[in-house]
Amino acid sequence: AQTVTQSQPEMSVQEAETVTLSCTYDTSENNYYLFWYKQPPSRQMILVIRQEAYKQQNATENRFSVNFQKAAKSFSLKISDSQLGDTAMYFCAFMLPTGTASKLTFGTGTRLQVTL
Amino acid sequence: DSGVTQTPKHLITATGQRVTLRCSPRSGDLSVYWYQQSLDQGLQFLIQYYNGEERAKGNILERFSAQQFPDLHSELNLSSLELGDSALYFCASSPPGGSSYNEQFFGPGTRLTVL
Repeated sequence: AQTVTQSQPEMSVQEAETVTLSCTYDTSENNYYLFWYKQPPSRQMILVIRQEAYKQQNATENRFSVNFQKAAKSFSLKISDSQLGDTAMYFCAFMLPTGTASKLTFGTGTRLQVTL
Repeated sequence: DSGVTQTPKHLITATGQRVTLRCSPRSGDLSVYWYQQSLDQGLQFLIQYYNGEERAKGNILERFSAQQFPDLHSELNLSSLELGDSALYFCASSPPGGSSYNEQFFGPGTRLTVL
């Protein structure tokens, strides 16, 4: 079974600064997907960024980027120019695509607080 | 707005009771997933349906059941409720097989409180 570990329960960053959230995972598979989801106080789950394991290039979405290290099974999220609206829980998730059955396995989350 | 709708938003009930949570996927999506978010268990996958058929099962209790109807909406039935079933229940949907991103779109969730 696949597992996802987020070792930072809480983090804090000042507005406009950069912060990196860590995630490691365990799998024996070679082809999979990794995601970062954001859950603001509204509790809505919002996809931030995705990475396909077969792509060596790190994914980037505006201020959000990942550092994907496949051999180390590490998938960290970097948030640049942090904004107050980035305050949320962030979940790392793993997906093993098997045809039409593709469940997400989530880490325990990192609570990020952006301060003035 | 993800396009996935869930009703009701909040549900308060007593132990031993039975409730039904409803989910309507995005237009065109064939897969529906149910997840439970609780304080002690985190976010856990419960069950997945694809075009009316069960495709994957996770940590779903025997007291829980689900189905997907011909119009593709899904219902999650929770019976003999216990205090520990209090949680936020999410439904997600994803496009038909062949999507290169396998993205799941989450609904706003149903907050269940068992007293």
